[in-house]
Amino acid sequence: EIVLTQSPATLSLSPGERATLSCRASQSISSYLAWYQRKPGQAPRLLIYDASNRATGIPARFSGSGSGADFTLTITSLEPEDFAVYYCQQRSNWPPMYTFGQGTRLEIK
Amino acid sequence: LQLVESGGGLVKPGGSLRLSCAASGSSITDAWMSWVRLAPGTGLEWVGRMKSQRDGGTTDYAAPVKGRFTISRDDSKNTLYLQMNSLKSEDTAVYYCTTNGFYCGSDCSPYFDYWGQGTLVTVSS
Repeated sequence: EIVLTQSPATLSLSPGERATLSCRASQSISSYLAWYQRKPGQAPRLLIYDASNRATGIPARFSGSGSGADFTLTITSLEPEDFAVYYCQQRSNWPPMYTFGQGTRLEIK
Repeated sequence: LQLVESGGGLVKPGGSLRLSCAASGSSITDAWMSWVRLAPGTGLEWVGRMKSQRDGGTTDYAAPVKGRFTISRDDSKNTLYLQMNSLKSEDTAVYYCTTNGFYCGSDCSPYFDYWGQGTLVTVSS
């Protein structure tokens, strides 16, 4: 089973700063990686798919990069609404399953 | 597409519960559908997935729920279900219904794109 490890667990930044979130897979997953944002009381939202493609309606300040086992979500110039929990997610073809990282909490400093 | 889950509540360990996910605004007939849960103090966990009937209607489950949970769908009602049996305290979570939309880069892969607001399941004596 592939394990996704996110770091840091908590990131404290101020609005306007740049956020860099990491997701490392226990083995290569090619480019099959997604990033989701979850705010309290809201459903998670798909931000990035295939490691680097923004989903529909996602602002350009969100970008994803990486392939193989190391991935990064970057948020340039944080907006107040960006403070949330972020998860990475991958898929295995066999056995068919999906796994999430444990999440990174992005909080206001 | 909007997804609305229902059926959550308080249940004793060993008990059963059936969750529903009603879709509106668009048909889910051709959609692969999943349940994902969020337990208190932990992260997101995939529970299981059901392919569209067109793609075989097969189901796959995460190891912690395999043999206890069953996903089904009634496309005529545009609804997905999750039957949960032999519930344990560790099943306590908010359960989300989500579509597995296909996104195409070099190939096409499923990602969780539309989500409901979730329904809370509490397993406690």
